[in-house]
Amino acid sequence: GNSVTQMEGPVTLSEEAFLTINCTYTATGYPSLFWYVQYPGEGLQLLLKATKADDKGSNKGFEATYRKETTSFHLEKGSVQVSDSAVYFCALPRSGTYKYIFGTGTRLKVLA
Amino acid sequence: DGGITQSPKYLFRKEGQNVTLSCEQNLNHDAMYWYRQDPGQGLRLIYYSQIVNDFQKGDIAEGYSVSREKKESFPLTVTSAQKNPTAFYLCASSPYPSTDTQYFGPGTRLTVL
Repeated sequence: GNSVTQMEGPVTLSEEAFLTINCTYTATGYPSLFWYVQYPGEGLQLLLKATKADDKGSNKGFEATYRKETTSFHLEKGSVQVSDSAVYFCALPRSGTYKYIFGTGTRLKVLA
Repeated sequence: DGGITQSPKYLFRKEGQNVTLSCEQNLNHDAMYWYRQDPGQGLRLIYYSQIVNDFQKGDIAEGYSVSREKKESFPLTVTSAQKNPTAFYLCASSPYPSTDTQYFGPGTRLTVL
């Protein structure tokens, strides 16, 4: 079945640093891929998504490209801010179901 | 504004008591989900419902129960049979049982004393 592996955190960066959070997947076919973000004490919210191979999702300066060759969907941002401090989850649907698989989450802390 | 509300934000319960967590959505979504979040374990699916009056067990349904009598409501009961109920509980919905975006509520943190 489908699965997702996400880099462990925490990741600590200085403001304006470059961010990469790795996510690799195994999947039957080419399901949509998602990044969700969870700010402290809140629920998850969609950050970006890509619905087919080679698509790039982007939002709020974050980007991720659906790469079927490397089965990856790494999250990147060129210049992080303190307000980006949160937990980031990679996710994809389970094969043949309407259920999701979420990665274990990567905590990002950005220092001023 | 449309969205998902969960109440209460914080909930305390004595061991051996049942407790019900509320989840309401005004997004007119058919599908609703309950997840449990523990540190370092990501989200685990408890129950989900694709349509009113129907629901299915997720990966960790033991010790939990749900109902779906109305489209907009999907309450979760944590029973005394749940051995380790202290966790953060998240409700989510999606427009249709699909593999598209899920919309999450703010969560309820349950602590068993």
